[in-house]
Amino acid sequence: GAGVSQSPSNKVTEKGKDVELRCDPISGHTALYWYRQSLGQGLEFLIYFQGNSAPDKSGLPSDRFSAERTGGSVSTLTIQRTQQEDSAVYLCASSRRTSLGEQFFGPGTRLTVL
Amino acid sequence: AQKITQTQPGMFVQEKEAVTLDCTYDTSDQSYGLFWYKQPSSGEMIFLIYQGSYDEQNATEGRYSLNFQKARKSANLVISASQLGDSAMYFCAMRERPNTGNQFYFGTGTSLTVIP
Repeated sequence: GAGVSQSPSNKVTEKGKDVELRCDPISGHTALYWYRQSLGQGLEFLIYFQGNSAPDKSGLPSDRFSAERTGGSVSTLTIQRTQQEDSAVYLCASSRRTSLGEQFFGPGTRLTVL
Repeated sequence: AQKITQTQPGMFVQEKEAVTLDCTYDTSDQSYGLFWYKQPSSGEMIFLIYQGSYDEQNATEGRYSLNFQKARKSANLVISASQLGDSAMYFCAMRERPNTGNQFYFGTGTSLTVIP
């Protein structure tokens, strides 16, 4: 497809389990962002990848959160030892470096930690 | 301090009327970009309009226009001739130091309901 894709669309897990969320950016987009959106809230920046540069991890809320981007394309956000407060929609976005910077968002992964 | 402030949690507008959604921002950078996104109930985030800090003209995109008042640090979104499909959450966002990547800061959003 032409847009940003994310999988799974929904994930229900038990407290303490690890989860992996996947993002497939638009082909050719060098920048990739992860955000978290809690119910009724705005977007909270988590991490940013730009090409082969070191990622900006300044938004990760704890060391239980990590992300990687393989080959400058697909990205995986991993949450270890999930907690109930991790329940949220996790949104991925990509953009072209040379554009005005508008981000194209995926449909999100709704994570529920029981 | 909040980077982006949206003070209207909810707004109502009559169909075919215009509506203004407020956004103020906080930055010490001279170069920055301002964005508005729409999030319908389906959850997808849709880019609407962009204003660069050095742009002298207010941005317009179809029925959307951005009322940019740099000295007041405000970037209000104006939707003209509202349609039922405009009912959604609207988020204002800012990127400091455009083209260096960095963080986007999002406001908490305004829920717009268009009344038939």
